[in-house]
Amino acid sequence: AQKVTQAQTEISVVEKEDVTLDCVYETRDTTYYLFWYKQPPSGELVFLIRRNSFDEQNEISGRYSWNFQKSTSSFNFTITASQVVDSAVYFCALRNSGYALNFGKGTSLLVTP
Amino acid sequence: EAGVAQSPRYKIIEKRQSVAFWCNPISGHATLYWYQQILGQGPKLLIQFQNNGVVDDSQLPKDRFSAERLKGVDSTLKIQPAKLEDSAVYLCASSRLTGKNTEAFFGQGTRLTVV
Repeated sequence: AQKVTQAQTEISVVEKEDVTLDCVYETRDTTYYLFWYKQPPSGELVFLIRRNSFDEQNEISGRYSWNFQKSTSSFNFTITASQVVDSAVYFCALRNSGYALNFGKGTSLLVTP
Repeated sequence: EAGVAQSPRYKIIEKRQSVAFWCNPISGHATLYWYQQILGQGPKLLIQFQNNGVVDDSQLPKDRFSAERLKGVDSTLKIQPAKLEDSAVYLCASSRLTGKNTEAFFGQGTRLTVV
């Protein structure tokens, strides 16, 4: 069975703070793919990043960074110097042997001025 | 490049009525997905098409839900008859390829309320 756990339901930070969103996954497959999506109030899911199970390199894109650790089955997402526009629900997702993206329940991030 | 288009944005119906949602994927995207997102949860895949063929419909409640993708472009998702528990946002997504490492691009969704 495969499962994605986002233990943080809601996070509230003040602008310019750093924030890390946790994602823990379960899968028996050796080949799998991890994704992060952002869902702003408008409703559409915006793709942020994709990682395959053979690539444990961390990635940085502007204020966003991702830490993939197979040893702890985690794929955490950090926003540096958060901004009000970062307020959204963030989803971590896993795809392995099937085609479906299995999403976590999401973490709602609120950044206040 | 235009994104995934969905209509209507909102729909309110009474239980036991029928409803249909429409999706137009990104031009050139062969793969189309329908997801159901219940409030407070992550999206759940209902059905995936590759061109006009079904790839995965294992989580589609086939007794009441149906979907088609005629001509391999637009798609419609229908619920008949609707139940209260069908209240959710129905998201359509598309991707250029079918591969498991391919990201999907989502529309804004249709918010269905069944009363």
